[in-house]
Amino acid sequence: GAGVSQTPSNKVTEKGKYVELRCDPISGHTALYWYRQSLGQGPEFLIYFQGTGAADDSGLPNDRFFAVRPEGSVSTLKIQRTERGDSAVYLCASSLTGMPPGGELFFGEGSRLTVL
Amino acid sequence: GESVGLHLPTLSVQEGDNSIINCAYSNSASDYFIWYKQESGKGPQFIIDIRSNMDKRQGQRVTVLLNKTVKHLSLQIAATQPGDSAVYFCAEGGNKLVFGAGTILRVKS
Repeated sequence: GAGVSQTPSNKVTEKGKYVELRCDPISGHTALYWYRQSLGQGPEFLIYFQGTGAADDSGLPNDRFFAVRPEGSVSTLKIQRTERGDSAVYLCASSLTGMPPGGELFFGEGSRLTVL
Repeated sequence: GESVGLHLPTLSVQEGDNSIINCAYSNSASDYFIWYKQESGKGPQFIIDIRSNMDKRQGQRVTVLLNKTVKHLSLQIAATQPGDSAVYFCAEGGNKLVFGAGTILRVKS
């Protein structure tokens, strides 16, 4: 596709449920990032993939959060036992080579997660 | 500093005036800085970047200034237009970009 695609755009779930958020990066981009953005704040880093492997997962808040990128393209962010505090917009970005420079991040429009 | 919660600083400017948005970064070892623009309901969009070995870089209608001595970054927008209204974030770092809290820019026609 022309840009980074994220699905679903909106997800409402109940506390304790499991959710999956999908990111389809720009074709050919080897680097993929997940960020989380709460209202009124800047994006917060979660995890970075280079190819199929997680190069840096230091931003994942706890073991309820997990992300995969099995074929080096599409990535799925998985959240188990969701809590109300997980409510946020989850942003995915991809980059041709990774940062920096020349590895400009292209962001998707995000998946808005609401945990009731 | 990092997040200021819901109370983002706001800059209101008249259409056609120049805008200056400021950012203080935290890590003196950072060697790469970027400005992003985020419109409501969309993801951040790259505006301009600068390496730490530079103190100024110009793009189309935008200029980024870097002062490493005081760890300060600014974005200057010339002849501000209504379409420039958005939240602006500075970000620092390498593989893992760290974003600041953001500044709301409102352009009055």
